[in-house]
Amino acid sequence: QVQLQESGPGLVKPSQTLSLTCTVSGGSISTGGYYWSWIRQHPGKGLEWIGYIYYSGSTYYNPSLKSRLTISVDASENQFSLKLSSVTAADTAVYYCARKYSPKWYFDLWGRGTLVTVSS
Amino acid sequence: QTVVTQEPSFSVSPGGTVTLTCALTSGSVSSNNYPSWYQQTPGQAPHTLIYNTDTRSSGVPDRFSGSILGNKAALTITGAQADDESDYYCVLYIGNGASMFGGGTRLTVL
Repeated sequence: QVQLQESGPGLVKPSQTLSLTCTVSGGSISTGGYYWSWIRQHPGKGLEWIGYIYYSGSTYYNPSLKSRLTISVDASENQFSLKLSSVTAADTAVYYCARKYSPKWYFDLWGRGTLVTVSS
Repeated sequence: QTVVTQEPSFSVSPGGTVTLTCALTSGSVSSNNYPSWYQQTPGQAPHTLIYNTDTRSSGVPDRFSGSILGNKAALTITGAQADDESDYYCVLYIGNGASMFGGGTRLTVL
């Protein structure tokens, strides 16, 4: 059974880079047909799609975050990562990694989420 | 800019039926937007309910159903139960590899 687990610092200073990793267990990140995704949820607010990556390295980013965003994949470690630069308090959120099944464009598997707070 | 809209809140009586909708500000929702629906309770990750407009995810009770109603995607809960009280989000594929979440609907069962 495939599972996703987010990891990374829970506290990031303003202007620094937020870095998170999602580890895929129970299956291969190189399985075709899936996009490996990041989604966030600001406190008390709705969900926001951040972006996703295919195992080959192709990426799709939310245009509103694109200038600060890098999503990468490490197939050898069965992980994918998120880097968001120049963070502000507005980037404080629970960050989820998720798997998107591309033929039907839906998120079929979610991590538990990790809270990242941007504060000095 | 395309925005996906949902009712902010809705209430339903236990045993009742409720239909939540998901609309595009830029036009009609169709099956080509691959509507999907997710349930989220406080402090938990979202849980997939419906995908590809009307296909229930594994283990989802058949009281949950998805459809296209007019120019919107819809999630109908028939015979609502107390533990259906949650936030519900739709996601639409809007093209060029991009997906967009609706703002979510908070459903109260009372």
